[in-house]
Formats: sequence, C-alpha cells, structure tokens
Amino acid sequence: DADVTQTPRNRITKTGKRIMLECSQTKGHDRMYWYRQDPGLGLRLIYYSFDVKDINKGEISDGYSVSRQAQAKFSLSLESAIPNQTALYFCATSGRGVISYNEQFFGPGTRLTVL
Amino acid sequence: DAKTTQPPSMDCAEGRAANLPCNHSTISGNEYVYWYRQIHSQGPQYIIHGLKNNETNEMASLIITEDRKSSTLILPHATLRDTAVYYCIVRVLYSGGGADGLTFGKGTHLIIQP
Repeated sequence: DADVTQTPRNRITKTGKRIMLECSQTKGHDRMYWYRQDPGLGLRLIYYSFDVKDINKGEISDGYSVSRQAQAKFSLSLESAIPNQTALYFCATSGRGVISYNEQFFGPGTRLTVL
Repeated sequence: DAKTTQPPSMDCAEGRAANLPCNHSTISGNEYVYWYRQIHSQGPQYIIHGLKNNETNEMASLIITEDRKSSTLILPHATLRDTAVYYCIVRVLYSGGGADGLTFGKGTHLIIQP
C-alpha cells in the first residue's frame, strides 16, 4: 500500500462549488504539505503543518484552507472554486528529524478541473 | 534558498550514464543540494542530497564541485523509466520556520532514448 494517499485522484467541478481534497499517510510523519502544480511549471506551496496544532500559510494560500484532523490526515479545501484553480495538487510529508526535514514523500496527486 | 539554473532538456541513450548539471553560484555555506525527480505527472521523488562531499546511493551519484557553485547528478545506467523532470534544489538543512516547503523550479526534462 502507498505511504501517502490522496483522494479523489481526479475531480471535475463547477465555479463556486466547495471542494475538499484529502490526504492520508502511514509514514508516521509529523510534517505535511500541500502543493499545487500548473502545466509546465514547478510546484508551489499552498499550506504546511508541523503537527496537529500547527498550520502555516505557504506561497499561494489565498482561496484555500486546510484542516489537520489527525497526525495522519491533512485536508485541503477550496471554499469557492474558480477556473484558475485548475491544477494538479500534491500532498507531501516529511519526518521530524533535521536530516529528514527536506526529504519529502509525495502522494500521487489530485487532478482538479474547475469549469 | 539559493537560485539554481538547469538546462530545460537533455537526451541520453539507454544504458549510458546520464549527467544532469545544476548551477548554484550563490549557494551559502549552510545550504545543501537536493535532487528530486518527477515522472510524468506523478508525485516528485527524492533522489539524493549533499553538502560538499560526493554522495552515492542506490539511485544516483551527486558530484559537487569544490567551490560548491555547481553540481552534477549522475544516473549511471539510464533506463527508459528514468525519463522524468529532474529538479535541483538548494536549501538549508532546517530553516526553523517560515516558508518551509521546497522550491521547485522548472527542472531538466531528461529523455532516455532507446
């Protein structure tokens, strides 16, 4: 079984709808991240969380919110989806130790299309 | 994080060594060089990292120049499955807060030719 899973894998929705993307991990990692990737570009950080009580905004947090329901679960919500949020979304985790801090493990991605 | 420069694309014959360069001329003394790759729309995968000594693992070797201003990722015997976008990232080991995600640029699209 995959260590980092994302649901759904694909989603098509309409402008104005609320959407939740979910991420679960079995690696026992404290740190979790949400990234967005647009075609032909690298990944950009949306939100990250160091533990259940810690949530931080990343580079492009406007229009998004997150919830860290448990150590293993980190959800990303689009409160009112708009077409320019069409992208590939990745969840990632990393361990607590300093050495493992930048060794992030990524999920398979969620392809979101907003019409 | 220091800025990195990578060629947009490279070709390599299957079975040969693939050498991917990265320039990071403004790297600081406490910044490490990390390499990730992304195989067609899959999640990025960590490959290797190093500070100043050459590093090798089961996937690749990392050669960092003595002045640390550039590095080369080496895939010793490239296979078709190594076709991917390779990202070179320069980053401190632990920033202690702030924007703690990885900064991915556009990377190098490595195409392994049969």
